Amino acid sequence: GAVVSQHPSWVICKSGTSVKIECRSLDFQATTMFWYRQFPKQSLMLMATSNEGSKATYEQGVEKDKFLINHASLTLSTLTVTSAHPEDSSFYICSAGGQAPLVEQYFGPGTRLTVT
Amino acid sequence: GENVEQHPSTLSVQEGDSAVIKCTYSDSASNYFPWYKQELGKRPQLIIDIRSNVGEKKDQRIAVTLNKTAKHFSLHITETQPEDSAVYFCAASIGAAGNKLTFGGGTRVLVKP
Repeated sequence: GAVVSQHPSWVICKSGTSVKIECRSLDFQATTMFWYRQFPKQSLMLMATSNEGSKATYEQGVEKDKFLINHASLTLSTLTVTSAHPEDSSFYICSAGGQAPLVEQYFGPGTRLTVT
Repeated sequence: GENVEQHPSTLSVQEGDSAVIKCTYSDSASNYFPWYKQELGKRPQLIIDIRSNVGEKKDQRIAVTLNKTAKHFSLHITETQPEDSAVYFCAASIGAAGNKLTFGGGTRVLVKP
């Protein structure tokens, strides 16, 4: 099956610094990648949709200048949390969608971000 | 936009009993409905999915039913085992490649031995 990796799996950073999270599709080309945030005991909340070669589409309430998304190739999307604050501490998960007619999304293992 | 409601939020069952989780969706254009199992600190894993041209789908102990008219779908787990304990999420999507999923709130299932 399709494999999606994320790096790092966990990161601790100081308030005010920036953190970059990578999402890679290892054995298929992902025209679209999605970034989710999941707080403890809550559901996955979509932050943005990332399309290769174009600007990401952010969900309502998500600050695009704070959560920078770059989808530079068909196998790599990055999420940069800028000027991180403790309230940004969360589990960030990416998923990748294949090319038509595939509709299934393949999830990465997630990145646990802790901002101190 | 799409809104997915999921019930119950927690479910405790005795080993061997059945578990049923229900979801409703709001957008009649949605036609792809996956179910995910998530263990603590891990990625969601697809356990079964159904498309709108099918009313029911079964895979061993897991089945999903869909009622498009009523806009609801359900997950049924039979003969539950302790390893079925996890959080389960339903989701809905307009099932084309690259279309986003909208998730339900999740159901924490505990199977008591």
